[in-house]
Amino acid sequence: GAGVSQSPSNKVTEKGKDVELRCDPISGHTALYWYRQRLGQGLEFLIYFQGNSAPDKSGLPSDRFSAERTGESVSTLTIQRTQQEDSAVYLCASSYTGELFFGEGSRLTVL
Amino acid sequence: AQKITQTQPGMFVQEKEAVTLDCTYDTSDPSYGLFWYKQPSSGEMIFLIYQGSYDQQNATEGRYSLNFQKARKSANLVISASQLGDSAMYFCAMRAPGETSGSRLTFGEGTQLTVNP
Repeated sequence: GAGVSQSPSNKVTEKGKDVELRCDPISGHTALYWYRQRLGQGLEFLIYFQGNSAPDKSGLPSDRFSAERTGESVSTLTIQRTQQEDSAVYLCASSYTGELFFGEGSRLTVL
Repeated sequence: AQKITQTQPGMFVQEKEAVTLDCTYDTSDPSYGLFWYKQPSSGEMIFLIYQGSYDQQNATEGRYSLNFQKARKSANLVISASQLGDSAMYFCAMRAPGETSGSRLTFGEGTQLTVNP
């Protein structure tokens, strides 16, 4: 596709359930990022993939959060045993030369 | 660690006037990059402008310019001739020092700009 694609666009779940968020980056972009944006706040870095290198997981807030990426393709962010404080928009971005191109985000609401 | 500070939670400007959105940063690395992004109410993040720490001139992109003052560690965004469509949240961001292209960005808290007719 022409841009970064994320799904689902909206997800409502119950506390304690697991959720998976998907990101399809721009073709050819070697770098992929996940950010979290709580309501009215800035973007909080979660994880960064660069090619086949080990990912930078330093932003993941707890071991309930994990992400995978196969090669330079789709990435999945998984949140286990969701909590209400996980409610946020999860933004994915991809990059080739430094500028980040963002998807439209996945809005997660944990009841 | 890198830190980005945007001290203006909200700004108002009259249509057709210029406005400056403040951004200061903190890093000990001599090589870094500074970015501005726009986030309309629809939620998408739109890249506006980039300034490298070694760039000799201030970056400009159409109505956007970056007032880069390296000694003061500031990278203010100037929007000239404001338009109603400029109303949005604006984020300043810095690329993590020591990384090559494509490295992660650290974002500020954002400034909500409202353009009045």
